[in-house]
Amino acid sequence: SYVLTQSPSVSVAPENTARITCGGNNIGSESVHWYQQKSGQAPVVVISYDNDRPSGIPERFSGSNSGNTATLTISRVEAGDEADYYCQVWDRSSHHPVFGGGTKLTVL
Amino acid sequence: EVQVVQSGGGSVKPGGSLRLSCTASGFTFSIAWMAWVRQAPGKGLEWVGRIKSAIDGGTTEFAAPVQGRFTVSRDDSKNTVYLQMNSLKAEDTALYFCTREPRDVSSPFEFWGQGALVTVAS
Repeated sequence: SYVLTQSPSVSVAPENTARITCGGNNIGSESVHWYQQKSGQAPVVVISYDNDRPSGIPERFSGSNSGNTATLTISRVEAGDEADYYCQVWDRSSHHPVFGGGTKLTVL
Repeated sequence: EVQVVQSGGGSVKPGGSLRLSCTASGFTFSIAWMAWVRQAPGKGLEWVGRIKSAIDGGTTEFAAPVQGRFTVSRDDSKNTVYLQMNSLKAEDTALYFCTREPRDVSSPFEFWGQGALVTVAS
């Protein structure tokens, strides 16, 4: 089955840029979705289809996807961005969703 | 406005059973695929299983760790989906989310319930 790999944690100072990566075999050929999950809450889509931003998500959130790595970029990081972030794709063979292990974003 | 409201959850001994419920509104439930995703304490998201709409066959699929122990059913007259969990193990301890699964098997999971905590311990 398809495997997505994320770094466990990323730390960034306020107003700086956070980059959260998601690795997978030729992930550039897949559509990647990104979720933000704050403690004890349900996940929220922040980026869909590699780089589409749903209504209500700040322009500070953007995504890219190429080769074996997809990246979620959060510009001008705010304290309220502190959360766990998960990438997700659909396994082409099983048609089941696959989630990355998650990255905890800490705002210093 | 879409709402997904879960009920159920609680503590159960290993080998026991538990049923979670999930009632949705704000979209046409009868044609929706519904899924369950769980999150063990301190761990990531794990897809548990899904039920397709009746128009798409009403079939269910499950992840390997729960195959044969968990079932999903739906009552479209009540806009409700159920997760029946049998032969529970300690490793099933998790926060269980109900979510609408995209029928195109390519879109993201847009709508989620608030989660229900299941604890399996002796």
